[in-house]
Amino acid sequence: QSVLTQPPSVSGAPGQRVTISCTGSSSNIGAGYDVHWYQQVPGTAPQLLIYATNNRPSGVPDRFSGSKSGTSAALAITGLQAEDEADYYCQSYDSRLSGSWVFGGGTKLTVL
Amino acid sequence: EVQLVESGGGLVQPGGSLRISCSASGFTFSISPIHWVRQAPGKGPEYVSTISTKGSRAYYADSVKGRFTVSRDNSKNTLYLQMSSLRVEDTAVYYCVKEGDGYNNAFEIWGQGTTVTVSS
Repeated sequence: QSVLTQPPSVSGAPGQRVTISCTGSSSNIGAGYDVHWYQQVPGTAPQLLIYATNNRPSGVPDRFSGSKSGTSAALAITGLQAEDEADYYCQSYDSRLSGSWVFGGGTKLTVL
Repeated sequence: EVQLVESGGGLVQPGGSLRISCSASGFTFSISPIHWVRQAPGKGPEYVSTISTKGSRAYYADSVKGRFTVSRDNSKNTLYLQMSSLRVEDTAVYYCVKEGDGYNNAFEIWGQGTTVTVSS
């Protein structure tokens, strides 16, 4: 059971917009800690996609954006492309846990 | 090029021990926070451990506390994770990760991972 909750799967057709939610609590996202997002293609390491809620590292297309409200965050992908098919994970910091860094369980994006 | 390369993974019996390593290059290792993160098959990443830049402080997830020990050798640009009393549930790909400069502690650089399998 992950500290951050994500839907197991989402899907969309090429060109469409999809969103992936990440629900936390008052000890992590709700406490104001940053939310980061990672993309993982099977067999490879996760890759940073969005940092500090809505900032993109160099090289990440502006089709990817993030938002945060209360105890939840969301990743939006517009103009869906076949290459976007991957697993997506959110990450934040939790003040209650000794390890502190927490991840979501992941969302599998399928491009129809 | 900034790079992290893990090694030392393998098959170990429950209750056994294993030490994995992470060799760093392309950045100033001695001033960089580096973390261990693992990912069990079909699961999301899980934070494991962190060590301060000088090695004086270590932090662990509750799931590994008392069994794993993190260390670093700044002269060799290498991070270590000594794992003991291993359990089946420790089976995972273990990654070392580096925070990105100016990225608000996000994990910018990931190694390719090393696989640890705990099984009899």
